[in-house]
Amino acid sequence: DQQVKQNSPSLSVQEGRISILNCDYTNSMFDYFLWYKKYPAEGPTFLISISSIKDKNEDGRFTVFLNKSAKHLSLHIVPSQPGDSAVYFCAASAPGNQFYFGTGTSLTVIP
Amino acid sequence: DAGVTQSPTHLIKTRGQQVTLRCSPKSGHDTVSWYQQALGQGPQFIFQYYEEEERQRGNFPDRFSGHQFPNYSSELNVNALLLGDSALYLCASSPGTGHQDQPQHFGDGTRLSIL
Repeated sequence: DQQVKQNSPSLSVQEGRISILNCDYTNSMFDYFLWYKKYPAEGPTFLISISSIKDKNEDGRFTVFLNKSAKHLSLHIVPSQPGDSAVYFCAASAPGNQFYFGTGTSLTVIP
Repeated sequence: DAGVTQSPTHLIKTRGQQVTLRCSPKSGHDTVSWYQQALGQGPQFIFQYYEEEERQRGNFPDRFSGHQFPNYSSELNVNALLLGDSALYLCASSPGTGHQDQPQHFGDGTRLSIL
């Protein structure tokens, strides 16, 4: 049972435009959400997180939005850069519990 | 400040064999989690070690076992290897059990191929 879902396997965006990556979850007990970026032949790198007590967290060009009622989170990258091309995973966790990962979205930023 | 390190980088085994993968956590981290990432999938949680004990376990058979040493490093052992065990095995470390609003930091993984 996939508790965290990323329904878009891939996304292409022009350099300088906004990239929006989406993630849905089913477990209402999840209270901590993260985004990781992964380049080929490397492990996932932590990007940004959000606690369920917030609905938005911003770090430079990256902003994560959380809609608890819809059980949906999104990652916005503005402006997108070619170096942002990677696979992005969302992950979620309940207190004291394991992390559950989505299947990833491959982002390509076109120069 | 060294991050999470894993060894070996690549490994080729045949069906029925046994394998041991190793992980050193990021400095200051005492909890180690292991994940299996099959091609085209996200990381799947195998188990987590804290204070040298398995604290949580995902939906993996007993062929998958682990160990944590006093210096917080960890090993993942897989017995009776199957073709379906071919995957990237990722180690992640974090301070303390549970998420405690702290992200896990990943190593670059061990690519295991079963022939």
